[in-house]
Formats: sequence, C-alpha cells, structure tokens
Amino acid sequence: DIQMTQSPSSLSASVGDRVTISCRASQYINKFLNWYQQKPGKAPKLLIYAASKLQSGVPSRISGSGSGTDFTLTISSLQPEDFATYYCQQSYGSPPWTFGQGTKVEIK
Amino acid sequence: QVQLLESGPGPVKPSETLSLTCTVSGFSITSGNYWGWIRQSPGKGPEWIGSIFHTGSTYHNPSLQSRVTISVDTSKNQISLRLRSVTAADTAMYYCARMYFDISTSYYFDYWGQGTLVTVSS
Repeated sequence: DIQMTQSPSSLSASVGDRVTISCRASQYINKFLNWYQQKPGKAPKLLIYAASKLQSGVPSRISGSGSGTDFTLTISSLQPEDFATYYCQQSYGSPPWTFGQGTKVEIK
Repeated sequence: QVQLLESGPGPVKPSETLSLTCTVSGFSITSGNYWGWIRQSPGKGPEWIGSIFHTGSTYHNPSLQSRVTISVDTSKNQISLRLRSVTAADTAMYYCARMYFDISTSYYFDYWGQGTLVTVSS
C-alpha cells in the first residue's frame, strides 16, 4: 500500500496567516492527490483534486501544488471557517486508495 | 443535488455482522460512477473500505477484503456494506461517498453522506 504522511500533525495560526500543509507519498503517485477538509462531526469535504484543481465552490485562497511524491496545500489568508482538519488522499494506480493521518489547524 | 444517506443498526456485538445501507438521491447510481464506503475511527484518518459500480464490479481494501461484501440495488438507488466478524477495532464512523473518475484526474470522493456511527460492544 502507498503510505501518505502529512506534516505537521497540527498547527496554530491566526486569521490572515498564510498556512502550508505538506503531504508525502511513500512512492510515486504522479499528480493523483486529493485534499479534504473536515470539521468536527461532519464528513470530509473535497477541496482539491489532481493535486491542483480547485473543486467547485471552494474559495480561491485555497490552492494545491506538487507532483510525484511531494504535495502542498496552501491557504493564503486563513479565515475563521478554515479552522479544521485537513487530509490528503492518493488515487494512483490500483487500490487501496489511502489517506494521510490529518493536519489539524487550530486558532492561535 | 447529490445526497447520500447512510443507515444502520448502531451498536453491534463482537463476532456479529455489521450491515449498512446508503441511499442516493438526486443522482442515479447507474450514471457511470463508482460508489464507495469509507470509515474513520475516532481521531484517525479515513480508511477506504471498498467501492462498487452499478454493474456489481467491486474493489476492496485488501486489509478487509476477506470480511467485506459490497452490493448494489439499482431499483432502490442504494449500495450496501456487510462486514463480518466485527471486533472493537471496527468501531468507527462509516461514510458512503461518490467516486468521481476522469482519466486525467483519477478518482476522488466528491459527495459524501453524513456518516453513521457504528459501535462494536458486548
């Protein structure tokens, strides 16, 4: 199985800050990396697919980049509604499709 | 608007079989997508369980494959999950989700149900 490792596991930031979350795959996954946001008691919500494509309705302050094994989710100016846990997920080749362990973004 | 709603029994005893149903509304499950089951234990990342196409073609996570059956009922626009011989380690929130596929983007889960909590306890 392809292992997905996110860093950091948590971070504290203030409204308006630029936030970067990293995700590393244990092997090459091309650009087949998706990002989700999850708030307490809710299902994950798709933010980014294929590493950099913004899902419809997701604000443009959120962006994704990377290919191969290293990927980044960036929030350019953190807003109150962005405090949540973020997960990466790979969909390269054959299943199983795997998720990272999550990065929790908390209010400083 | 695509909506998914999971339903299930709540508590399940160890060694029994967990059975869940996902009802899809606003979209036909025969319209060319896979449909998946994903679970999430408390404080952990999501874990993909398996997926099914409306023809009955399935993929399973090898870690659960021997215990999992996923089926589809196109007349009811539903998919179902059965997980046999459960233990406390199967306690989790269980979600169903639509898997969108495109050759240039591969698979991603774009619509999710609200989830149903399954607790395995005697």
